Amino acid sequence: DAMVIQNPRYQVTQFGKPVTLSCSQTLNHNVMYWYQQKSSQAPKLLFHYYDKDFNNEADTPDNFQSRRPNTSFCFLDIRSPGLGDAAMYLCATLRDRGTYGYTFGSGTRLTVV
Amino acid sequence: AQKVTQAQTEISVVEKEDVTLDCVYETRDTTYYLFWYKQPPSGELVFLIRRNSFDEQNEISGRYSWNFQKSTSSFNFTITASQVVDSAVYFCALSDANNDMRFGAGTRLTVKP
Repeated sequence: DAMVIQNPRYQVTQFGKPVTLSCSQTLNHNVMYWYQQKSSQAPKLLFHYYDKDFNNEADTPDNFQSRRPNTSFCFLDIRSPGLGDAAMYLCATLRDRGTYGYTFGSGTRLTVV
Repeated sequence: AQKVTQAQTEISVVEKEDVTLDCVYETRDTTYYLFWYKQPPSGELVFLIRRNSFDEQNEISGRYSWNFQKSTSSFNFTITASQVVDSAVYFCALSDANNDMRFGAGTRLTVKP
């Protein structure tokens, strides 16, 4: 089945140690999003790629970076995770601008120790 | 700026009761989309419904129904004859013509047996 896959499902990292979360999709969608969802809060948009064009939300911390080496993969890099970065990270895809129907992955729950 | 308000943080009902989750939105766009998502304890976001700004028809799907009223900028969600399996956090979301989605804070619904 075509889907959005996030690995790993659970990630534990040490304070200050760089960590990378991955998202892959078999849908051939042009747009990929990263959301951060802290406990009991709404998902918050961090950034998205429209094809290779990177779009950063104004309030996304510099500590967060993203890479999209090809259509299928998108990575979220946290350069120096702090305790406040512990959250569920959700990847979503969209076929194209002007269409509808996000497809979300199952998320990666990040713990910082 | 876009904004989604879900004023009800938590709702608790007894099984078989009807329950309505409120959603009020703000946008300056004339073309926009409204969504409801369910997030069970496992964490994945489950798509329930999408409405575009030009379609004010109410919709019923089984025990679920949605009432979209542009005059009051509301998109409310009603579950009829609630069941324990309906227990989850429900998010209302708004996306503009570029499809960048913004979520409300969510309403945690607990259905007790």
